[in-house]
Amino acid sequence: DQQVKQNSPSLSVQEGRISILNCDYTNSMFDYFLWYKKYPAEGPTFLISISSIKDKNEDGRFTVFLNKSAKHLSLHIVPSQPGDSAVYFCAASESGTYKYIFGTGTRLKVLA
Amino acid sequence: GAGVSQSPSNKVTEKGKDVELRCDPISGHTALYWYRQRLGQGLEFLIYFQGNSAPDKSGLPSDRFSAERTGESVSTLTIQRTQQEDSAVYLCASSYVLQSYEQYFGPGTRLTVT
Repeated sequence: DQQVKQNSPSLSVQEGRISILNCDYTNSMFDYFLWYKKYPAEGPTFLISISSIKDKNEDGRFTVFLNKSAKHLSLHIVPSQPGDSAVYFCAASESGTYKYIFGTGTRLKVLA
Repeated sequence: GAGVSQSPSNKVTEKGKDVELRCDPISGHTALYWYRQRLGQGLEFLIYFQGNSAPDKSGLPSDRFSAERTGESVSTLTIQRTQQEDSAVYLCASSYVLQSYEQYFGPGTRLTVT
């Protein structure tokens, strides 16, 4: 049973426009969420996180929104740049478990 | 400074053979994690270490999998009697402390079992 789902395997966006990547989860005990970016042949790199006590966290061009009632989070990238083209994973964790459950990833392609 | 390194980067082995995968975490990082990514799937959590202790081994897929860590440094993931379904990229990550959510990943070891 997939506890963290990224239902869009791929997304194409024009350079300069907004990219919105979505993630849904089923376990209401999850209270910390992260986004990672992965380039081919490299390990994932941490991008941004959000705690369940917040509904928004912003870092430069990246903003993560959390809707706890809908068990949904999204990553917004504005403006999108060609260098943002990568696979994006969302991950969730329950306090004290130290286990991170990852989604299957969304491949973002930003077109120049 | 040096990041997380893993060796080998690629490993091709015959079904039934044992393999050992190595992870060198970032110096000073007390927590270490192993993940597996099969083709077309997300990262599957396997095990974490706090120092050289692994409190929860329930993520390991079968008893053919084992992991060790020497102090707060190198870790090895051993797969005995490899099967074709073990083919995947095995990723290692480390963090300063277990309570730190930001993990730093290595480039992974691509294991192919023929």
